[in-house]
Amino acid sequence: AQSVTQLDSQVPVFEEAPVELRCNYSSSVSVYLFWYVQYPNQGLQLLLKYLSGSTLVKGINGFEAEFNKSQTSFHLRKPSVHISDTAEYFCAVSPSGGSYIPTFGRGTSLIVHP
Amino acid sequence: EAQVTQNPRYLITVTGKKLTVTCSQNMNHEYMSWYRQDPGLGLRQIYYSMNVEVTDKGDVPEGYKVSRKEKRNFPLILESPSPNQTSLYFCASSFGQGVNTGELFFGEGSRLTVL
Repeated sequence: AQSVTQLDSQVPVFEEAPVELRCNYSSSVSVYLFWYVQYPNQGLQLLLKYLSGSTLVKGINGFEAEFNKSQTSFHLRKPSVHISDTAEYFCAVSPSGGSYIPTFGRGTSLIVHP
Repeated sequence: EAQVTQNPRYLITVTGKKLTVTCSQNMNHEYMSWYRQDPGLGLRQIYYSMNVEVTDKGDVPEGYKVSRKEKRNFPLILESPSPNQTSLYFCASSFGQGVNTGELFFGEGSRLTVL
């Protein structure tokens, strides 16, 4: 079984500032890692994913995340946010073998102020 | 266009009146799942289906039913809705075993209010 902890329920930030959304996980097996974004009144869409290879993963809209196996973390970063980045962000993990059913964190609300 | 389609998108109903939320995907995915999203609780899985005629309970199955008679469809049934089922519901799908990484494709959501 695995679990996901998103350490911040809400992150306020000013436009053009950098941001980091934190995600830690626990699992007894190797995992795949995902970040999803949910814009207001929309469904979730994939932002980026780590399956294997380079631990630095780049996604859409200028976001990136780094997989740190020793710290079991997969933090999401963006060097300069825009108002349009205001959304809910979900971290998820799924086991890389056997059952592939993902486990989600509770989400982090990113609020970008002008 | 590859998509997961849910209907209705918005629904207001009364306690006890049976309703069905439909979900259809056009990607030939084997895996389908229902989630509910509530403030502060994130996404909680209601039911999932690994393939046709195979369904299983998620974390919060009480008060819900599902069926998977066809690969593309996975309806969510509330036999006797109660106010605590007021929520935002998402259907999601994914590839089957062998090629699956757990990446999900989500519908737009169905906002249900039970009075």
